[in-house]
Amino acid sequence: SAVISQKPSRDICQRGTSLTIQCQVDSQVTMMFWYRQQPGQSLTLIATANQGSEATYESGFVIDKFPISRPNLTFSTLTVSNMSPEDSSIYLCSARTGTANSPLHFGNGTRLTVT
Amino acid sequence: AQKITQTQPGMFVQEKEAVTLDCTYDTSDPSYGLFWYKQPSSGEMIFLIYQGSYDQQNATEGRYSLNFQKARKSANLVISASQLGDSAMYFCGGGSNYKLTFGKGTLLTVNP
Repeated sequence: SAVISQKPSRDICQRGTSLTIQCQVDSQVTMMFWYRQQPGQSLTLIATANQGSEATYESGFVIDKFPISRPNLTFSTLTVSNMSPEDSSIYLCSARTGTANSPLHFGNGTRLTVT
Repeated sequence: AQKITQTQPGMFVQEKEAVTLDCTYDTSDPSYGLFWYKQPSSGEMIFLIYQGSYDQQNATEGRYSLNFQKARKSANLVISASQLGDSAMYFCGGGSNYKLTFGKGTLLTVNP
């Protein structure tokens, strides 16, 4: 199974600043996604990170606020821009290899606190 | 889009007993997958088990099994021989093309 490394694992940021989260997979994967988990809540899909093209965002999420890059099949970044306290969440990267019945694996998450 | 419903905010089970965590789904997609994940207090999402909509048999992975009833649109997780380390949040997720929607989760507590 794919091993997914995220960094930073946690950060405390001031409002109005931006944070870029990196996601590295140890093998080439076909699909990468970014999720948000607000405190005490379930996971919500932010976007699909597309290799070599613009990410596909879910309803309620926009590129200006959450720009995503995916320059190759093993790496992606998510930026949380112009942060406010409402952005305090766990942000999780997930990926799936192309093999049949392979599950969707998650990184350990980035715990973000905005003050 | 898929909707996932987990109706049990919390469940308690005695160590070594079995427990069933409920999950129902609603989708118009003919092809979809259903997943269960465990999230301990440390926050990572640990994959447990997967069921594809066209799979004929219920999925099993060690102590985990998925009771998949397509007509009822349910995909309940059964944990046999519960262990103290099973205490965690459990999320049911489903969707097509691996774009998952998750339920609100069930907090499982295993009592000694």
